[in-house]
Amino acid sequence: EAQVTQNPRYLITVTGKKLTVTCSQNMNHEYMSWYRQDPGLGLRQIYYSMNVEVTDKGDVPEGYKVSRKEKRNFPLILESPSPNQTSLYFCASSSLYNSPLHFGNGTRLTVT
Amino acid sequence: DAKTTQPPSMDCAEGRAANLPCNHSTISGNEYVYWYRQIHSQGPQYIIHGLKNNETNEMASLIITEDRKSSTLILPHATLRDTAVYYCIVRVLNTGTASKLTFGTGTRLQVTL
Repeated sequence: EAQVTQNPRYLITVTGKKLTVTCSQNMNHEYMSWYRQDPGLGLRQIYYSMNVEVTDKGDVPEGYKVSRKEKRNFPLILESPSPNQTSLYFCASSSLYNSPLHFGNGTRLTVT
Repeated sequence: DAKTTQPPSMDCAEGRAANLPCNHSTISGNEYVYWYRQIHSQGPQYIIHGLKNNETNEMASLIITEDRKSSTLILPHATLRDTAVYYCIVRVLNTGTASKLTFGTGTRLQVTL
């Protein structure tokens, strides 16, 4: 089954403790992206990648890192999480050629 | 990619057609219009997309104006399960280039009995 898999689904952590949210897709998609969703603010793009070793900033990249060492994986890294990064995070992927975005089921992160 | 503007909320009676508008007045010639919806806090779900012609699939119809500056998503017979937030975005495709994709806050559709 074609899917985007995010892990974990829920994560509670403390300020400053490094964490990684994983994202994997099995559709051989070139494009992958991370979004965060906060009440009243819709979906905001954090980072995106058009292929292996090619990443670029979205609208809200501060405090986040990403890497794209393999085509299928696009982890989101929070080196020093802060409470304002408490949010619902979505990973998405698509082909670059006339293909819709496929979203994961989300990761709800709480930073205390 | 061009930005889009949508009304924050709409109501629709069950069984009636739901018409959700989207303004994309700065759309470029090679940008497609995409619609997604999000039910509760699930990942957004693709509905339909188009470039300049009207499109229809099993979920919905998409009407794009001739000047492509706006579009309307039509759910022909809305049900309670169509209650969701609907997002309209524009996106360049078929060029091999990646880009920012701005979803905005969408339209919250409430379908009522």
